[in-house]
Amino acid sequence: KAGVTQTPRYLIKTRGQQVTLSCSPISGHRSVSWYQQTPGQGLQFLFEYFSETQRNKGNFPGRFSGRQFSNSRSEMNVSTLELGDSALYLCASSFLAGDGQFFGPGTRLTVL
Amino acid sequence: AQSVTQLDSQVPVFEEAPVELRCNYSSSVSVYLFWYVQYPNQGLQLLLKYLSGSTLVESINGFEAEFNKSQTSFHLRKPSVHISDTAEYFCAVSSNTNAGKSTFGDGTTLTVKP
Repeated sequence: KAGVTQTPRYLIKTRGQQVTLSCSPISGHRSVSWYQQTPGQGLQFLFEYFSETQRNKGNFPGRFSGRQFSNSRSEMNVSTLELGDSALYLCASSFLAGDGQFFGPGTRLTVL
Repeated sequence: AQSVTQLDSQVPVFEEAPVELRCNYSSSVSVYLFWYVQYPNQGLQLLLKYLSGSTLVESINGFEAEFNKSQTSFHLRKPSVHISDTAEYFCAVSSNTNAGKSTFGDGTTLTVKP
């Protein structure tokens, strides 16, 4: 099976702009989660989608949003970008709770 | 609520030496435990997991981890490391009813020197 894919791999934006990141999970995986990774804060959970419904949400402001489509592909959107949003955004998919999560390579977002 | 503490941020070792990366966790519910590895400019890869049963779990590349319920620990060990094991290692927990939300430790950078 193909792994988790994320596009684009790199993005450079300026403050105030908005950005959309895309994630395609492993075939058959209905759970898709998003994490933000920064040197200072480590890995922080953003949200999880399961069968097109947001099942969990982390402690991020409303500028961060997401959605999931019927084919399980997911997008996350960040509006009104701030310098502190610069990070590696990781998408992960899973099938069963005990399988663990399978991560994509990430999208590195730089906000100038 | 769940939390994970990785007790060492950096662990330097020489090639062929043994290594232990320490992880403690806290949770009010039953959890699954995981170790992930991240190589530079890549996503995380699942290394091994503990769900139930035998407290010692092994990976295909020689790592093992032991679940200790009384000490709420899940330390990762390898008897002999290679240069290629240089990476960042993350310990994580998730509840057994919620696969999609994992809590990660801050990571341990393992540096294997020749």
